Amino acid sequence: AAGVIQSPRHLIKEKRETATLKCYPIPRHDTVYWYQQGPGQDPQFLISFYEKMQSDKGSIPDRFSAQQFSDYHSELNMSSLELGDSALYFCASSFGRISYNEQFFGPGTRLTVL
Amino acid sequence: AQSVAQPEDQVNVAEGNPLTVKCTYSVSGNPYLFWYVQYPNRGLQFLLKYITGDNLVKGSYGFEAEFNKSQTSFHLKKPSALVSDSALYFCAVRDRDDKIIFGKGTRLHILP
Repeated sequence: AAGVIQSPRHLIKEKRETATLKCYPIPRHDTVYWYQQGPGQDPQFLISFYEKMQSDKGSIPDRFSAQQFSDYHSELNMSSLELGDSALYFCASSFGRISYNEQFFGPGTRLTVL
Repeated sequence: AQSVAQPEDQVNVAEGNPLTVKCTYSVSGNPYLFWYVQYPNRGLQFLLKYITGDNLVKGSYGFEAEFNKSQTSFHLKKPSALVSDSALYFCAVRDRDDKIIFGKGTRLHILP
C-alpha cells in the first residue's frame, strides 16, 4: 500500500541558509501534519493543513512557513536556519479531520544544520 | 490540555517474557489514545488505538493495550516479547484540534 512520502530523506545545510521539505500524503488523504523531533526528544507538532487551509498551529517558529497544494502535497519552508533546527521532521497524513482516524507517518527528513 | 505520561524511560525484558510499557493520560472529554513505535532511523509506525468500545485493544505485531478509565491508563502489552520488538515506543493522545501529543517515549530493550 502507498505510504507517506517525504523528500529529501537527508538534508545538510549551513546556518542562515534556507531549506524546503516536501511531503506527499497517502492518496485521498486530505489532511497533513508536520512534526519536529529533536535528538532524544518526542515529536512536537508544528502545523497542520486540511483541504489546503491551515487548520492548526503548534510550536512552529516564525522563520518557518508551510502550505498545502491543490494535489494535497505539502511543503515546509525553513529560512535563516539555526543549529537548533537540526532534527528529524515528520509529515503525517490522515483522511478528514476526524480525531479517531490514525495519522500515518512518513519516514522523516533528517535535517542537519552546520 | 491533553497530555500523556510515560513514567519509564527504559524497560528491559527477557525474550519470551511478557512486556508492559506504561502510559497514563490526562484529557478532557473522550480520550483518543494511540501507541506508535519508532525503530532506529525509521519513521513512526502506528500500533493501535483506543476510541471507544472494548477496553482491550489489539494491534499490530501481537501488541495490545488496555484502557483503564478509573486509573487513566493505557498500558501497552505483549504476552511474549521478541528481540525484534526492541524500539522506542510512544503513547499519544489526539486532541480536539486533531494534532497528536506524544509522551516522552519509552525505550524497550528485549534481551536475548
